[in-house]
Amino acid sequence: EVQLVESGGGLVQPGRSLRLSCAASGFTFDDYAMHWVRQAPGKGLEWVSGISWNSGSIGYADSVKGRFTISRDNAKNSLYLQMNSLRAEDTALYYCAKDNTHDLAVAALDYWGQGTLVTVSS
Amino acid sequence: DIQMTQSPSSLSASVGDRVTITCQASQDISNYLNWYQQKPGKAPKLLIYDASNLETGVPSRFSGSGSGTDFTFTISSLQPEDIATYYCQQYDNLLTFGQGTKLEIK
Repeated sequence: EVQLVESGGGLVQPGRSLRLSCAASGFTFDDYAMHWVRQAPGKGLEWVSGISWNSGSIGYADSVKGRFTISRDNAKNSLYLQMNSLRAEDTALYYCAKDNTHDLAVAALDYWGQGTLVTVSS
Repeated sequence: DIQMTQSPSSLSASVGDRVTITCQASQDISNYLNWYQQKPGKAPKLLIYDASNLETGVPSRFSGSGSGTDFTFTISSLQPEDIATYYCQQYDNLLTFGQGTKLEIK
């Protein structure tokens, strides 16, 4: 059974940093691209970032480019999101999601975690 | 950036009704489009990939069609458990979601 478990969320002040983690199990992690998708309270889905199976291809939404860094450790079956210079508008539930292919060129997100909540407030 | 526009933003229908949601891309995305269902308090679920392919285990009352800039998602006979918000998502250039369509029972 595929499982994706996010952690690392919490309350953080504007301008500070936070690192999210996603622990994956139930599939061959290094065969698939992975993504972070967020959802602000009461709002729609927003893709944040994606990374190919071997970290060779990485993409970011314009809203986070230059502030967030995605990475993965295939030996640990883990996905990460380093979030710097956080803003109030980054407040959201952050989902980790598995792609159904190895590359970012074809992206259907077939499994999702339950999310970790990030609140940016002073 | 590719923008995805869904309509309507909300929809009320009766059990057994045929329901249609449209998604328009700001540029040609071929068939690089997926559809998701999100029930309240739950993570999204992939229903349709590559515009018209049904994900394994998804009921056949769900279908998708379209290519280029105009896409359609259809529920052939609405069931009570279909109450959710539905999102389209393009992957022609990175990923973009539509703003969602909230479906309610009349």
